[in-house]
Parts: sequence; C-alpha cells; structure tokens
Amino acid sequence: QQPVQSPQAVILREGEDAVINCSSSKALYSVHWYRQKHGEAPVFLMILLKGGEQKGHEKISASFNEKKQQSSLYLTASQLSYSGTYFCGTPAVDSGGSNYKLTFGKGTLLTVNP
Amino acid sequence: DAGVIQSPRHEVTEMGQEVTLRCKPISGHDYLFWYRQTMMRGLELLIYFNNNVPIDDSGMPEDRFSAKMPNASFSTLKIQPSEPRDSAVYFCASEGAGGLDEQFFGPGTRLTVL
Repeated sequence: QQPVQSPQAVILREGEDAVINCSSSKALYSVHWYRQKHGEAPVFLMILLKGGEQKGHEKISASFNEKKQQSSLYLTASQLSYSGTYFCGTPAVDSGGSNYKLTFGKGTLLTVNP
Repeated sequence: DAGVIQSPRHEVTEMGQEVTLRCKPISGHDYLFWYRQTMMRGLELLIYFNNNVPIDDSGMPEDRFSAKMPNASFSTLKIQPSEPRDSAVYFCASEGAGGLDEQFFGPGTRLTVL
C-alpha cells in the first residue's frame, strides 16, 4: 500500500524551514527518503530504521515514529539546491522474508525561491 | 564507477511497435529494479531481480511487458506491442547486497508512444 505524503507542495524562501510528512497504514520497520530534481533521477537521502538508527544525509534530519507509522523530513534553513520532489518509500518484504521492495508515496514538490 | 547506465535516453515510437529498454547496474550490486514514472501514477515498481532472478513482477501492467536479466551486468525491459498509455519515464535502479539500503537510479529512458 502506498504511503501518504503531505503536503503535496510547498513554496519557501531561501532560509525558511519546511517539514514533509509520510504516513503508512501498515507497520513499518524502515522509511526511505529520496529527492528528485526536475528532469533527473531520484537520489537517495536517508533511511530511518526502527530503534532510531539513521543512515544517510548529514544536513537533512528526519524522525521516525514507529507507533504512529509516520516519518517526517525536516529541511532547515533551506537552500535553493533543496528544490525538488521528495519521496518517501516504505518497504514490503516478500513471503520468503529475504527480499523487499519499496512503495513510494506520490511525492512533495518543494520550491525554494531566492 | 559510472553508475547505473540506461539506454536509450529517449525513445519515440509508434503504437504497435516493440520497444526494448536496457540497463547496466553498478558492478557488484545484487538487486535490480525497474520503475515507471508518470504524473498520474507516480513512481511505480514494475519488477525486481535478486542475483539475476526475478523476485516480484506483480507491478508489470500486463503481458505486453516482459523483463530479463541474463547476467549480473545487463537487464532489459521489453514492451510488445507498445501503446500510447505506456508513455512514461522508465528508471532502472540497483542496490547492493542485503536489501534495505540505498538504491542507485539510472538517468531514465523517456518513452513516447505515438
């Protein structure tokens, strides 16, 4: 099932902050965040794991609330380079328990203006 | 490393024609994913492989779509016959062993079916 992202779009001025939310109707053990700039491929930002471990980007922070099945991405002091579409992905493990696939949300379009 | 390589980058074809998209994953990566991205449906997983073996093809829209991975360094996605609704950007991504890790996306193939 596809995770739900909010807001769908946000416009900021350089230096402002933004929060992007991702929620799932099923239990999560990780949340994956990617950013896609216009006309380019998605690029990995970070993975949030149960227990609080985080792998990835140093300048962008995120939280993962396992009980609420939610994750939030925090973009502080935004820069022009932060513009793009942000996707969260939630994993589904196959029946054998050894492989997984990501289901991505519809994305949040972030525009940072000078 | 050159990253994930896809070809062609752009493909324009007429309805009914066969289309073959190609992907070379990052050397040493065990997982390979094929995604399709459209404005309406977002980023959808079509099929993924682990060590050249197809694991989950539940996202393949219909029998007109097929994918192969004859060896660790090459995969194809074929559409036969193509239809206008297949117009989209198709991404290939690869990932190292173990899953739940960063996926590296190729630049994508923009397919237009007239």
